[in-house]
Amino acid sequence: AQRVTQPEKLLSVFKGAPVELKCNYSYSGSPELFWYVQYSRQRLQLLLRHISRESIKGFTADLNKGETSFHLKKPFAQEEDSAMYYCALAIYNTDKLIFGTGTRLQVFP
Amino acid sequence: DVKVTQSSRYLVKRTGEKVFLECVQDMDHENMFWYRQDPGLGLRLIYFSYDVKMKEKGDIPEGYSVSREKKERFSLILESASTNQTSMYLCASTPQGTSTDTQYFGPGTRLTVL
Repeated sequence: AQRVTQPEKLLSVFKGAPVELKCNYSYSGSPELFWYVQYSRQRLQLLLRHISRESIKGFTADLNKGETSFHLKKPFAQEEDSAMYYCALAIYNTDKLIFGTGTRLQVFP
Repeated sequence: DVKVTQSSRYLVKRTGEKVFLECVQDMDHENMFWYRQDPGLGLRLIYFSYDVKMKEKGDIPEGYSVSREKKERFSLILESASTNQTSMYLCASTPQGTSTDTQYFGPGTRLTVL
């Protein structure tokens, strides 16, 4: 079955601490994975996608096919990183995404 | 810059009412989506449209229908609203054949059914 799992509903850290938001997937094909973010009172938007191998706002995510994971990491969290983060999996040949249940990141000063 | 707009930011309706949620995009995208967003459940796909007058059920279509008469507009219809349809509804669009491209989201409509 196709599934995206985000085990943490809430992750709380202090400013300057490292952050890792976990994402695991289940998919029989070759996965295309994304992280979307929703800041308070803003619309959901793409943060990064694994095929781009980019770092956005200091965040990176590496696809680990062996562990079927796509964890989002940042070495030093900032208060402005506080938001809701969703991991998403693209379903081949459909243009559809499957979203995880989301993790709320709280960064305290 | 892609713009996806939704007709209402907040909506309050009574049980049994027929409810229309409208979504418009200005980038000539073929694909449009309706999701509902609930705490602890994430985003769940209600319906998907890949062209005018074409639609496909998502994961939770029960109690909903959709209409796509024009390419830029995708409507979600609650034929008889119920309290368990109280939720945040998000519309999104994307070009066709671009599963690795971003989905562009609207601001959302928070629907409360009393």
